[in-house]
Amino acid sequence: GDSVTQMEGPVTLSEEAFLTINCTYTATGYPSLFWYVQYPGEGLQLLLKATKADDKGSNKGFEATYRKETTSFHLEKGSVQVSDSAVYFCALSERGNNRLAFGKGNQVVVIP
Amino acid sequence: GAVVSQHPSWVICKSGTSVKIECRSLDFQATTMFWYRQFPKQSLMLMATSNEGSKATYEQGVEKDKFLINHASLTLSTLTVTSAHPEDSSFYICSASRDTRRGGDQPQHFGDGTRLSIL
Repeated sequence: GDSVTQMEGPVTLSEEAFLTINCTYTATGYPSLFWYVQYPGEGLQLLLKATKADDKGSNKGFEATYRKETTSFHLEKGSVQVSDSAVYFCALSERGNNRLAFGKGNQVVVIP
Repeated sequence: GAVVSQHPSWVICKSGTSVKIECRSLDFQATTMFWYRQFPKQSLMLMATSNEGSKATYEQGVEKDKFLINHASLTLSTLTVTSAHPEDSSFYICSASRDTRRGGDQPQHFGDGTRLSIL
């Protein structure tokens, strides 16, 4: 079945550092790819998405490019802020079926 | 737009009681709603998918009689945890999406979750 794999472990970095969170996927068709962010005690918010190969999703300084050849959708931000501290989930849904499969999530902690 | 409200945000109750959680789409019609369960520091596990006016589709391993889902209108779905026990304590999150039959991607919009603690 469809699945999403995120890099292991929390990510701790200093303010203004460069952030990368890796995400790879396995799917039988051509899925849509998403990054969601969860702040403490809250539900999920859609951060960005891409629906086809080579699409780049971007929002709030975050970017991710849909790479079909490497089945990846890595999240990047050039200069993080303390307010970016949250849990980030990579997810996919198959075309025509909006069920989401989530990765395990990565806790990001940004230190002032 | 696309606001989903979940209520209550936090509930504590005694073992054996039933707890109802509401999920409302405030500014759009949600043909499909999803219910997830999230354990501490873990990902979301889909429990069931409900379409307005029909029975919910439960994921493997989720007890239908334990977690009752009703989606009677295009703006409201409810999850009732029946005869709750401490092992049912968790963070429950709902999401809603518009009619997928319209075609195109219909993203899920999430509520803020309900923290359920069973004593």
